[in-house]
Amino acid sequence: EPEVTQTPSHQVTQMGQEVILRCVPISNHLYFYWYRQILGQKVEFLVSFYNNEISEKSEIFDDQFSVERPDGSNFTLKIRSTKLEDSAMYFCASTTDMNTEAFFGQGTRLTVV
Amino acid sequence: KQEVTQIPAALSVPEGENLVLNCSFTDSAIYNLQWFRQDPGKGLTSLLLIQSSQREQTSGRLNASLDKSSGRSTLYIAASQPGDSATYLCAVRPTGANNLFFGTGTRLTVIP
Repeated sequence: EPEVTQTPSHQVTQMGQEVILRCVPISNHLYFYWYRQILGQKVEFLVSFYNNEISEKSEIFDDQFSVERPDGSNFTLKIRSTKLEDSAMYFCASTTDMNTEAFFGQGTRLTVV
Repeated sequence: KQEVTQIPAALSVPEGENLVLNCSFTDSAIYNLQWFRQDPGKGLTSLLLIQSSQREQTSGRLNASLDKSSGRSTLYIAASQPGDSATYLCAVRPTGANNLFFGTGTRLTVIP
């Protein structure tokens, strides 16, 4: 069964460093998303991406964040200068259309020290 | 802004029991509602998707209902098994938005 894959599963980084989280969405999906879940809190929307551009973003997705689809398969989230409060599980998701079932990856646990 | 609430926060039942998980949302203008399962430290597994025009969806021992006008959904699990132990999340996609709003989840423990 097709699935969304994310790498790495766990990343530890020092405060102020840049990190890139990687995702391979399901191949025939057109919409891509990043969400995050701080430990013990709700899953929160960060950004959606369609047709090679951001279609929607939340207040959390400020200038330190960026997304890119560098080739036909990968979808990346870059955090430019990490802060302690960026520590969270980051989930990538994809859908075929806006109104269809969302499939999530297994997540990347980011720990900023 | 859409707010999604799930009650109870935690539930413990003996194996074999039928159970209902509740989800409520504040704005009835939604495209769809999706139920997920999350195992500790893991990703989100989609269980059921209900479109705004539908009343219920079934998959195996799971049945989800949607009452859009009252802002409620339930997930019914029949004949619970220890392997059903996980956190169950509901999420709504508001009309005109391309993102999901999640509840805080119900942590289910099924005791053998």
